[in-house]
Amino acid sequence: GQNIDQPTEMTATEGAIVQINCTYQTSGFNGLFWYQQHAGEAPTFLSYNVLDGLEEKGRFSSFLSRSKGYSYLLLKELQMKDSASYLCAVYTTSGTYKYIFGTGTRLKVLA
Amino acid sequence: DTEVTQTPKHLVMGMTNKKSLKCEQHMGHRAMYWYKQKAKKPPELMFVYSYEKLSINESVPSRFSPECPNSSLLNLHLHALQPEDSALYLCASSQEGTSGGAPGTQYFGPGTRLLVL
Repeated sequence: GQNIDQPTEMTATEGAIVQINCTYQTSGFNGLFWYQQHAGEAPTFLSYNVLDGLEEKGRFSSFLSRSKGYSYLLLKELQMKDSASYLCAVYTTSGTYKYIFGTGTRLKVLA
Repeated sequence: DTEVTQTPKHLVMGMTNKKSLKCEQHMGHRAMYWYKQKAKKPPELMFVYSYEKLSINESVPSRFSPECPNSSLLNLHLHALQPEDSALYLCASSQEGTSGGAPGTQYFGPGTRLLVL
């Protein structure tokens, strides 16, 4: 079956660093995406990993280990506006080609 | 232009009504998607259109009927919905999402918040 897991909620302090983990078990893997979704709004693209290693984009970095079925999103210098849900999504090529979303992590940034 | 637009923003309908949700993109994307999202849950895939043909239907009840009139437009026709169908309906598009090549980034519309009474 297809399974993507993330912690349900996390809390961190403004200015700190937080790591949001995503583990996946999918038959057929062709890339992993991270999206940010503020309450009541649409998801917006943050990052994409298809090869092992770290992708850095400003305050946000994403890491992938395909052999471990594991990814994380690292947010540095947290700001209040980073309070949102963070969705991990795998592009799977098993049977049909589609994106499967993880359970999402609600991050609360405190002053 | 990396925008996906959806109308209406909000919709309230009775269980006997017929209504339609609309989605439009002008990025030249050839894959378009409908997702349903309940509060505090991730988006659930409903349908995928690839090159204007329905390529994925995730066992969605027939009271939801998708339509792709052309490469820029995607509709979702609603009929005889149930209160449990109340949710945020998201449309998304990507360059090429179902050909097996490198996936494109999905761009999401703002969604239609649907309430079924």
